[in-house]
Amino acid sequence: DIVVTQSPDSLTVSLGERATINCKSSQSLLFTSNNKNYLAWYQHKPGQPPKVLIYWASTRASGVPDRFSGSGSGTDFTLTINSLQAEDVGIYYCQQYYSTLLAFGQGTRLEIK
Amino acid sequence: EVQLVESGGGLVKPGGSLRLSCAASGFRFSDYSMNWVRQAPGKGLEWVSSTDVTTNYIYYADSVRGRFTISRDNAKNSLYLQMNSLRVEDTAVYYCVKEEGDTGGKGGWFDSWGQGSLVTVSS
Repeated sequence: DIVVTQSPDSLTVSLGERATINCKSSQSLLFTSNNKNYLAWYQHKPGQPPKVLIYWASTRASGVPDRFSGSGSGTDFTLTINSLQAEDVGIYYCQQYYSTLLAFGQGTRLEIK
Repeated sequence: EVQLVESGGGLVKPGGSLRLSCAASGFRFSDYSMNWVRQAPGKGLEWVSSTDVTTNYIYYADSVRGRFTISRDNAKNSLYLQMNSLRVEDTAVYYCVKEEGDTGGKGGWFDSWGQGSLVTVSS
């Protein structure tokens, strides 16, 4: 099974600053047949269902502000949130979909300083 | 607008059974793989199970394989999760989730989620 591990577990960042969350996979998520990385990022706020932010490691989902960006390839990926806003508080998850046994990272809690 | 509405959650004793349902609308249900994802209290998201459009390809997390059964009725735009031999550790909010992505036979990402249904397993 493919395991994805996030770091850090929690993060406190000042308004307007940058937040960076990492996700490491136990196996490469790059499918050479289409040169795509099978990784997504989600934002989860209390009392709401999770919301997809990024898929194919770097493609922003519809309606997601461009301050959210994803990067990386193979086994190492990063979610970057620029110009942090108060509404960005929540828990962020990466998810691999290279395997049909899907898996999430353990989550990173983002708070405002 | 995509809508996914779960029902069937509640309180059940260890060893008991429960069936969750998910009513889908706003998209062509029969064209999409569907999943169940859960979140235990104070824990992260855990993928539970997925089914392709015809139920020919069904997958389960190790933690529920042999106890849970996913199914769907495309005529009724509905997804189901039959949960047997429930354990205290199955206590969670269960989300019905629509899968997206032309991924060449692999998995997909989750572009639409229901509000969730709480399942509590306790004596």
